[in-house]
Amino acid sequence: GAVVSQHPSWVICKSGTSVKIECRSLDFQATTMFWYRQFPKQSLMLMATSNEGSKATYEQGVEKDKFLINHASLTLSTLTVTSAHPEDSSFYICSAQREGPEQFFGPGTRLTVL
Amino acid sequence: AQSVAQPEDQVNVAEGNPLTVKCTYSVSGNPYLFWYVQYPNRGLQFLLKYITGDNLVKGSYGFEAEFNKSQTSFHLKKPSALVSDSALYFCAVRALNDYKLSFGAGTTVTVRA
Repeated sequence: GAVVSQHPSWVICKSGTSVKIECRSLDFQATTMFWYRQFPKQSLMLMATSNEGSKATYEQGVEKDKFLINHASLTLSTLTVTSAHPEDSSFYICSAQREGPEQFFGPGTRLTVL
Repeated sequence: AQSVAQPEDQVNVAEGNPLTVKCTYSVSGNPYLFWYVQYPNRGLQFLLKYITGDNLVKGSYGFEAEFNKSQTSFHLKKPSALVSDSALYFCAVRALNDYKLSFGAGTTVTVRA
């Protein structure tokens, strides 16, 4: 149990376009979902925290208007990278939390902006 | 503020030898502690956690970790390493009254045949 999926796994887009990444908890309802960004061979940096039906809480330095988060239901959160640029290229990982302190991580999405 | 230190960027061991990956933490109050493993271009896989109770925690794939409150450490161990254990390992901490996980920088483990 506690499986989290992400779609797509890989995405390549042109500079200036927007990209949407989905995060789903497949077999449980998530009280909270988290979005992380990871650069090559580096640790995970928390971008934002979202709860179903409410606005996301963004970490300091993360642009709200650039990284739009929508938590539509207890099993789905989406991250939209708007007007993407090459510096937005990264590995984006989501996680979901139910009761208890543990976070369950998705497989990640590799974004490449040309 | 909470933080995690993984003092070794890389750990190299021979297959069959013991493997230790070090982790120390700083947090206000009692911690929740976690170890995750990451393979290339993949998400994080959960290995084990310390919430409360026994200081020695056993997890997946033969891994274990010992919570040492006085030394604020939570080192990951495996008695006999496998080549397939080669991966990137992350230690993470969370305070009881917080929802955020703080990750260490990661330790790359290489197990040679």
